[in-house]
Formats: sequence, structure tokens, C-alpha cells
Amino acid sequence: SYELTQVSSVSVSPGQTAKITCSGDALPKQYVYWYQQKPGQAPKLIMYKDTERPSGTPQRFAGSSSGTTATLTITGVQAEDEADYYCQSADTSDIYVIWVFGGGTKLTVL
Amino acid sequence: EGQLLESGGALVQPGGSLRLSCAASGFSFSNSVLSWVRQAPGKGLEWVASISGSGSVTYYADPVKGRFSISRDNSRNTLHLLLNSLRAEDTAVYYCAKDYRVAGIYYFDSWGRGTQVTVSA
Repeated sequence: SYELTQVSSVSVSPGQTAKITCSGDALPKQYVYWYQQKPGQAPKLIMYKDTERPSGTPQRFAGSSSGTTATLTITGVQAEDEADYYCQSADTSDIYVIWVFGGGTKLTVL
Repeated sequence: EGQLLESGGALVQPGGSLRLSCAASGFSFSNSVLSWVRQAPGKGLEWVASISGSGSVTYYADPVKGRFSISRDNSRNTLHLLLNSLRAEDTAVYYCAKDYRVAGIYYFDSWGRGTQVTVSA
């Protein structure tokens, strides 16, 4: 199966824009999904099919994907956005679906 | 989307065994593909195993293949993970998760709160 690569940390001040990237060779052929995980909590889906927001995800979160890189953009970062963010995709090259996660990006709100 | 609640995590010695359980509610259990995902201390998420709705199809990540066994009891809406030949690197929080698989879209739409497995002498 393939790999997804994320930068390990991103720091921004409140009100600024944070961009978290996820790179992988299979991304032109597969959707990317994003999860937010706060300390001691389970991951929570915040973006699916590259750009779609589930109900409950604030509008300041946006997703995009181009070529081998997907990006989660948070416009007007708030203190409550401080968390770990994981991208996820699926390797469907075999008869089974193999779930692939990026290594995670820690977002720090300064 | 449903609710999931894991149990069974514990401190176990290397080479030991453990059985995790996940009680599910709020969705059609027998029609749902379910998975286990783990997270080692300070590390990222790692898919471990998945099982079809009927339980007839199971598959595993390479690090656990041959040592772990996923199963389900559809009469009790419960998912299990049997962990054998445990190693220190299996130390992690283990989450059960419900798969969403529709028309080329694949993600986990429900997660439990996790159960801690610690492998240490």
C-alpha cells in the first residue's frame, strides 16, 4: 500500500490562516478525508471527499486537492482549533480496502 | 452514525494475549463493515484489521497478521479483537470504528473512545 506524508507541526496566531498538507502518490485517484483529534479524544471526521464538510464542521475549514497533494485550510484560526489533524485515504488496488493514514500534523495556536 | 464502546484493555506481559470488545448501538450492526484502529503513545493512527458485516471476510495490517484475530457476534452487536503474541510495539489505544463505504468513498464515520493496551514486563 502507499503512504501519506504530512508535515509534523504547524503554528499560527489566532485569526490567521493555517494550511495543513497531505501528500501521496495515489491521491490523484483517491479521495482524501481529514480527522481532527483533541487530547484524550477519538478522531472526528471534519472533511470528506477532498472538499466536503460534514454537518457540524465550521465553515472556516476548507479542503482542496490537486495532483498528489491535498490541503486542509483553516481560515481565521481559533484557539479551539488546536489539535492533531490526520489525513486518510484508501488503497483499493487489491480486493480489500486498506486504510492509509498520514502521520498527523499538530496545529498549535500561538 | 451510531455509538461504539470499547472494553478489555489492560497491562499484559510480552508474549501474552488479550481480548478486546466493542459494543455497538444506533445503527444496523450486521450490515456494517467494522475495523480496529490503534494509536501508539504520541504517534499517529494505524489501521489494524477489518471485518465484513457477516464476519466471513477479515483482513489485517501486516504488523499484526498471524497474531491478531478480528471477529464479531451479530446477535449481540459486539465486535472483538483477539491479540496474541503481544509485543511492546503493540502498546496503544485501540479504537473500534465503523466503515463508510459507498461509491468510491471510504472513511470511518463512527469511533469509540478507545481502550488502552500496554505490553510490558
